[in-house]
Amino acid sequence: DIQMTQSPPSLSASLGDKVTITCQASQNINKYIAWYQQKPGKAPRLLIRYTSTLESGTPSRFSGSGSGRDYSFSISNVESEDIASYYCLQYDNLWTFGGGTKLELK
Amino acid sequence: EVQLVESGGGLVQPGRSLKLSCAASGFTFSNYYMAWVRQAPKKGLEWVATISTSGSRTYYPDSVKGRFTISRDNAKSSLYLQMNSLKSEDTATYYCARHSAPSNWFAYWGQGTLVTVSS
Repeated sequence: DIQMTQSPPSLSASLGDKVTITCQASQNINKYIAWYQQKPGKAPRLLIRYTSTLESGTPSRFSGSGSGRDYSFSISNVESEDIASYYCLQYDNLWTFGGGTKLELK
Repeated sequence: EVQLVESGGGLVQPGRSLKLSCAASGFTFSNYYMAWVRQAPKKGLEWVATISTSGSRTYYPDSVKGRFTISRDNAKSSLYLQMNSLKSEDTATYYCARHSAPSNWFAYWGQGTLVTVSS
């Protein structure tokens, strides 16, 4: 089974900051990684698929990159509506989520 | 508009069974793989089960294999999750999700149904 190690577990940022979240897979996942945003009491929302492809409606301040085992997700110019938890998902071999990152306002 | 509506959650005693349902609309249900994903209170997301378009292939993580069974009725555009031998650690919100395509990401999600396993 593929394990996904996501860091950091929590992140504190000011409005306008750039933040970065990383996910490391236990093996090469061939760029088959997606990123989700989840707000309290709501279902997850797909933001990015296949490492860096923005889903329709995802603001351009969100971005993703990586290859092999190592991937990152960034938000430039954090806005108040971005306060949420974020999860990576590998879908190269079955499906595994990272542990999540809670983004809070400083 | 894609809609996924879960039902069937509730309070159940350890060792008992429960069956969840998901009613799908807004797309051709029989064309897509479907899945269940759960989230324990204050915890992260965990994939629970996936089923192929015809229902002939199913996939589970080790944590639920042998206890949970995913199934579908394409004529009714409905997805199911039969959960047996429930444990306290199965307490979670269970989300119905539609895959984007075979073996791909989860593109759409329902709002979830809460299952509480407690005596």
